[in-house]
Amino acid sequence: AQSVTQLGSHVSVSEGALVLLRCNYSSSVPPYLFWYVQYPNQGLQLLLKYTSAATLVKGINGFEAEFKKSETSFHLTKPSAHMSDAAEYFCAVCSSGNTGKLIFGQGTTLQVKP
Amino acid sequence: GAVVSQHPSWVICKSGTSVKIECRSLDFQATTMFWYRQFPKQSLMLMATSNEGSKATYEQGVEKDKFLINHASLTLSTLTVTSAHPEDSSFYICSAVRDGGYQETQYFGPGTRLLVL
Repeated sequence: AQSVTQLGSHVSVSEGALVLLRCNYSSSVPPYLFWYVQYPNQGLQLLLKYTSAATLVKGINGFEAEFKKSETSFHLTKPSAHMSDAAEYFCAVCSSGNTGKLIFGQGTTLQVKP
Repeated sequence: GAVVSQHPSWVICKSGTSVKIECRSLDFQATTMFWYRQFPKQSLMLMATSNEGSKATYEQGVEKDKFLINHASLTLSTLTVTSAHPEDSSFYICSAVRDGGYQETQYFGPGTRLLVL
């Protein structure tokens, strides 16, 4: 079975500071991994995804994530936080067989302080 | 491109009534759509996989008679919450997979907030 664990339900950073949101996965097969962002009362927007190509994945809005198989991690980073980055972030893994089923982590709320 | 809409965006209903939520892919065809449920401050939980022209596949613990799914066309899937009760109050989100695209790439709708009184 596949699973995702996001470490830290709430992360607070100052504007301009580094953003680091942690995600660890468990999968018996090579995973597809995703980061989504959700603004209040809205659906999910894909930030980036890993599909077994380059281990360093660049996404939208300056975010990137690195797939580390040895650490079973897929942490999300952004060099400099903006106020507009404040939102809920979800890490997800796609189930085996590429059925499209997404298993989501618990989510991390990112707060950006002025 | 790849826009998914949901209607209504929010609905309030009395306990015991049925509520239908529509999920539409506006600019692409989607044989496969997914329905998720999200409680406040919690993650998304997959409820079912909706396939055009066939019965939906429900996740373990999801009552298929409670949550009726109909995928009648390549651009529309509906979720009907039958005999809704207050515990069904939640945020329901659908996603769609573009036909010919990668199965893992889902485009999400904006969600429907349901409040059952």
